[in-house]
Amino acid sequence: KAGVTQTPRYLIKTRGQQVTLSCSPISGHRSVSWYQQTPGQGLQFLFEYFSETQRNKGNFPGRFSGRQFSNSRSEMNVSTLELGDSALYLCASSGDPSITDTQYFGPGTRLTVL
Amino acid sequence: AQSVTQPDIHITVSEGASLELRCNYSYGATPYLFWYVQSPGQGLQLLLKYFSGDTLVQGIKGFEAEFKRSQSSFNLRKPSVHWSDAAEYFCAVGSTGGGNKLTFGTGTQLKVEL
Repeated sequence: KAGVTQTPRYLIKTRGQQVTLSCSPISGHRSVSWYQQTPGQGLQFLFEYFSETQRNKGNFPGRFSGRQFSNSRSEMNVSTLELGDSALYLCASSGDPSITDTQYFGPGTRLTVL
Repeated sequence: AQSVTQPDIHITVSEGASLELRCNYSYGATPYLFWYVQSPGQGLQLLLKYFSGDTLVQGIKGFEAEFKRSQSSFNLRKPSVHWSDAAEYFCAVGSTGGGNKLTFGTGTQLKVEL
C-alpha cells in the first residue's frame, strides 16, 4: 500500500506570492491533517479535514487555508507569503478522525520564501 | 490548553547503551500520548501510543514508554541503542475533544556514538 505522498517536495517562492501544496492520503483514508514544522516554533497543527469538511483549525492567520476533495486528496494554500512561512509542511492521513486512529505522515514539502 | 515538554534538546549515547527520553505533558483529562521519530528528510513515524490500560506500552524498533499519571510523564526507553536510532524524537498529546489534532513537544535530537 502506498504511503502518504506530498507534492512538490521542494518549493521556492518570493514574498507576496501564493503557494499551493498537495497531499494524497493512503488509499482508503478519509482524514487529512496538516502541520507546519519550523526550527523556532516546532511542529504546529494547521488544520484537519474529513469528508471534505474542516473539523479542526490551529492558530494560524487566514492566509493559510485548505480544502479536501471527494477522493480525500487535500490541498493547502498560503497567500501573501512571508519570510516566516518558510517551513516543512507535513501532511498526515488516517482512516477516521479519531485520535485513537494512527496517523501516517508524508515526507513533507519544504517551502522556502525569499 | 494542552502542552508537552521535552526537557532535553540533545542527547548523545554510545551504541549499545540504554536510552531514556523524557516527556512531560499538561492536560486536564486522561491524555492520549504518542512518540514519533523523524529521520533527516523524512516525515514522522509513530513509535508507540498510549490511550488507556497498561501503563507500559511497547512500540516498534524495541522502544517502550511508561505512562506515569502522578508525574505527568511519558518517558521513552530503549535498553540498547543502535546507530540507526539516531534521529529526532517527538512526544505528542492528542485531544480527546474529537479529531486528530496533535500537540507536539519541541523534540529531542538523539546522537549515537559508535
